Amino acid sequence: DVKVTQSSRYLVKRTGEKVFLECVQDMDHENMFWYRQDPGLGLRLIYFSYDVKMKEKGDIPEGYSVSREKKERFSLILESASTNQTSMYLCASSSGRRGSYNEQFFGPGTRLTVL
Amino acid sequence: DQQVKQNSPSLSVQEGRISILNCDYTNSMFDYFLWYKKYPAEGPTFLISISSIKDKNEDGRFTVFLNKSAKHLSLHIVPSQPGDSAVYFCAASAWGNNRLAFGKGNQVVVIP
Repeated sequence: DVKVTQSSRYLVKRTGEKVFLECVQDMDHENMFWYRQDPGLGLRLIYFSYDVKMKEKGDIPEGYSVSREKKERFSLILESASTNQTSMYLCASSSGRRGSYNEQFFGPGTRLTVL
Repeated sequence: DQQVKQNSPSLSVQEGRISILNCDYTNSMFDYFLWYKKYPAEGPTFLISISSIKDKNEDGRFTVFLNKSAKHLSLHIVPSQPGDSAVYFCAASAWGNNRLAFGKGNQVVVIP
């Protein structure tokens, strides 16, 4: 079974702090994604990566950056946390197999609160 | 611009009855559709999918119907069980695109 793990389930940070959210997958997937989920807004894509050291902006990249130094690990960075970044953050991965549709597998999520 | 739309944000249904969730999409390039289920404080889990070459896919109590001409799909859960109480997300993708477009989700409450 695919396993996607996230470094923290719950995190409380102060405004202005630098925040790192870590995600690790164990299925040798090429693609990794960061989403945030907010009530009434569904899942919104922040950034994704289709290869090591590659990244693409999603729909709401402002205020975030990412890092993918190893295939299995994808980090989301909040350079200076703000209260409007309080949210549930979800990491996902999928295979980059050509010639097929590739379902995304999600981690358990990190509930981040910025005070 | 919301490419995948789920109206009726919440649904309450009696245990044993049918739950029907609807999803509309606007992008005619979408040709693969998925439903995810999400419990509070957990990540979404894949439920069922359908490709555009089919109009129906069934997996146990879950059936997804696709109407390409109407750009509409629906998820039927029969019979509904209390453990089905969750948020359900509709998602879509296009061939060769690694991204999924998600709807905003439907909250389902199954009343015992």
